[in-house]
Amino acid sequence: GESVGLHLPTLSVQEGDNSIINCAYSNSASDYFIWYKQESGKGPQFIIDIRSNMDKRQGQRVTVLLNKTVKHLSLQIAATQPGDSAVYFCAENIAGAQKLVFGQGTRLTINP
Amino acid sequence: ETGVTQTPRHLVMGMTNKKSLKCEQHLGHNAMYWYKQSAKKPLELMFVYSLEERVENNSVPSRFSPECPNSSHLFLHLHTLQPEDSALYLCASSQAGGPYTGELFFGEGSRLTVL
Repeated sequence: GESVGLHLPTLSVQEGDNSIINCAYSNSASDYFIWYKQESGKGPQFIIDIRSNMDKRQGQRVTVLLNKTVKHLSLQIAATQPGDSAVYFCAENIAGAQKLVFGQGTRLTINP
Repeated sequence: ETGVTQTPRHLVMGMTNKKSLKCEQHLGHNAMYWYKQSAKKPLELMFVYSLEERVENNSVPSRFSPECPNSSHLFLHLHTLQPEDSALYLCASSQAGGPYTGELFFGEGSRLTVL
């Protein structure tokens, strides 16, 4: 069935350290994945995406890794800053469907 | 001005009331969505409109009634809601077409409380 899940609901990191947020998906027909960031009181905002024909994509301070063999997606945030505190969602697009399926979300908190 | 605007931001209503949520997108997109976000649950897709035609109704109770009068506006009409319908209702838009759904642009949501 369609399901996107996250291994951990919360993650705490020290400011300046790297953060890794993980996501598992179950639908092998998914062809496109997106990471969203949702700050308190706001709607989700796009961070980075990756297509299924790629293994890695880098943005500014963020990297997304896709392992199709084990159906695993991760978001790496370099040099985590207080402004990175938010809930992070992964989402998958089911090929041929016009919708994204979202995971539960991981809350990232930054310790000073 | 944000790309996707939702009003009201907060709404409190009784179970017998009728109210509507409004969403407007200024991005020139041709697809609009309603999502429900409850505590500790994944974002739940409710409705999808593509080119003003409803293409998905994700088993949503009839007490929620969407309306898409044009590609820039989307409404969610609410009537005889239940307390468990209390949640953050998020509107999103995208440029549909091609093999990918495309990035969704979300509004800031309407926080609904049903008493």
